[in-house]
Amino acid sequence: DAGVTQSPTHLIKTRGQHVTLRCSPISGHKSVSWYQQVLGQGPQFIFQYYEKEERGRGNFPDRFSARQFPNYSSELNVNALLLGDSALYLCASSLDGTGMVETQYFGPGTRLLVL
Amino acid sequence: RKEVEQDPGPFNVPEGATVAFNCTYSNSASQSFFWYRQDCRKEPKLLMSVYSSGNEDGRFTAQLNRASQYISLLIRDSKLSDSATYLCVVNSPFSSGSARQLTFGSGTQLTVLP
Repeated sequence: DAGVTQSPTHLIKTRGQHVTLRCSPISGHKSVSWYQQVLGQGPQFIFQYYEKEERGRGNFPDRFSARQFPNYSSELNVNALLLGDSALYLCASSLDGTGMVETQYFGPGTRLLVL
Repeated sequence: RKEVEQDPGPFNVPEGATVAFNCTYSNSASQSFFWYRQDCRKEPKLLMSVYSSGNEDGRFTAQLNRASQYISLLIRDSKLSDSATYLCVVNSPFSSGSARQLTFGSGTQLTVLP
């Protein structure tokens, strides 16, 4: 079975541009979460979506937005890119996002470099 | 103060050594706890969940102390393949609703030397 897939794997952008990252969850999983991981740090929570609804948002500016589609895939959009947005962006899928011990499975990530 | 704090590391140990990682969390509403492993330039992968009674999986033992809000991971008889970054992870509810988020520590880098 396919795991979580993300595209693209790598991306180079310049300051001020916008970017769209894509994620397809594991088949049967309805919840998608997005994380940002800068070098030397653990992943930081950005958003969680379930059934196309935003369930939670981390401490990120409004330049970051996301959505989830009827097939449960998701997009993360970042506008007006800053150098500090350079990071590994991880998508994680889980069954419904509410279970206390529910496992989140991570995709390979998209490595974004902003110049 | 960070919500999840870990030993900064790095830890460099010889093969066969026992190594322990510690982690503290600040959100008393946290209800489940995990250790994830992340290899260089790869995604995090679940190593093990952590239960109040403590749990063991082969060479790995995890402990949770809710009163002290403290989590630990012990690796016995370390192997070269254990070299990775170990992330302490706490599952906490959002401020509203039933959904939960994972909060990660900064990770502790382990290098097992031949």
